[in-house]
Amino acid sequence: DAKTTQPNSMESNEEEPVHLPCNHSTISGTDYIHWYRQLPSQGPEYVIHGLTSNVNNRMASLAIAEDRKSSTLILHRATLRDAAVYYCATSNRDDKIIFGKGTRLHILP
Amino acid sequence: NAGVTQTPKFRVLKTGQSMTLLCAQDMNHEYMYWYRQDPGMGLRLIHYSVGEGTTAKGEVPDGYNVSRLKKQNFLLGLESAAPSQTSVYFCASSYSGTPIIGAFFGQGTRLTVV
Repeated sequence: DAKTTQPNSMESNEEEPVHLPCNHSTISGTDYIHWYRQLPSQGPEYVIHGLTSNVNNRMASLAIAEDRKSSTLILHRATLRDAAVYYCATSNRDDKIIFGKGTRLHILP
Repeated sequence: NAGVTQTPKFRVLKTGQSMTLLCAQDMNHEYMYWYRQDPGMGLRLIHYSVGEGTTAKGEVPDGYNVSRLKKQNFLLGLESAAPSQTSVYFCASSYSGTPIIGAFFGQGTRLTVV
């Protein structure tokens, strides 16, 4: 199972873009990369996923390195409501979703 | 739609007691998961199920048992609770297929073992 490594915490200013990094150097060619976020006192919620190409949705963008050993979740314009713990995860043919330890994102007004 | 519902939301157990955590989903999802969340450890997979009547071990299965007798329910059992099992437990469910995306999580069960 591919392990993921993330910074423990990050800060960003409100209304500025945020780049959250994730390292997954042991990822295999068939492992997908996922991102979830967890707001205070709630369960995690899905944000975005990808395999090789960069991905965009209404919540965020996912940039995947060419060698797939790292990825970056991009929040284009942070708001105070984006303050949460962001988890990078991988899934494989065993149908398991394996999470990392997460990055606590603080948004400064 | 209730989504994923976990019962109970809070529980205090004495060491050696047993209990069952119930997870119910109303989205007709094939896959269900149990995770535990501890400070500084992120989410760790305990057991999971890819369909009714099937279960499989995750990253930290010791001390836990699970059952998936009905498609909509996934039960997590602690036969003899230990203080190390104090944690917040999350259940999740998702559609089948590759990749497993968009898993829906419950609100969590906070368990304290004294």
